[in-house]
Amino acid sequence: EAGVTQFPSHSVIEKGQTVTLRCDPISGHDNLYWYRRVMGKEIKFLLHFVKESKQDESGMPNNRFLAERTGGTYSTLKVQPAELEDSGVYFCASSPLTGGDTQYFGPGTRLTVL
Amino acid sequence: RKEVEQDPGPFNVPEGATVAFNCTYSNSASQSFFWYRQDCRKEPKLLMSVYSSGNEDGRFTAQLNRASQYISLLIRDSKLSDSATYLCVVSLPNDYKLSFGAGTTVTVRA
Repeated sequence: EAGVTQFPSHSVIEKGQTVTLRCDPISGHDNLYWYRRVMGKEIKFLLHFVKESKQDESGMPNNRFLAERTGGTYSTLKVQPAELEDSGVYFCASSPLTGGDTQYFGPGTRLTVL
Repeated sequence: RKEVEQDPGPFNVPEGATVAFNCTYSNSASQSFFWYRQDCRKEPKLLMSVYSSGNEDGRFTAQLNRASQYISLLIRDSKLSDSATYLCVVSLPNDYKLSFGAGTTVTVRA
């Protein structure tokens, strides 16, 4: 079974530019999460989708971040305009709606804003 | 105060040694507890869930102390492949959001 995939694996952009990260969850997983780790800090929750609905977006840092999950399959996280402090590793995770609380993480997208 | 605090280490141990470390959590209402393992520049992977009575998975033993709000992980007979960062993770009841510690680095040397 394929795991969670994320694209791109790395992105280097300049301050003020826009970047869109993509996450494909494990097939059949209705729960999808975004997390972020900035340099030297712990991994922090950003938001949680159940199918196409945002269940919890309490971790989104500000309105420069927009997450979507149209159709309830893959998700995108857009940062516009990017700031220096947005640099970090963005992880996506997924889990099934029932049958356990294990979240399976993708390999992450390493974002560098110059 | 951080939600989850861990000793960052590093813990440098020889092969075959036993290594143990703790983490503390601030919210007494926390209900679910996990240890994740993260290799350098890789994604976190679930190592084991932690149950109230304590649990063991091969060479790994996890304990939960609700009264003192800490979780421990013990690794017996360390292998070189155990070198990684171990993340303490908790969540609240009916909440899918995971709260992570910053991780404890373990290096096992030959």
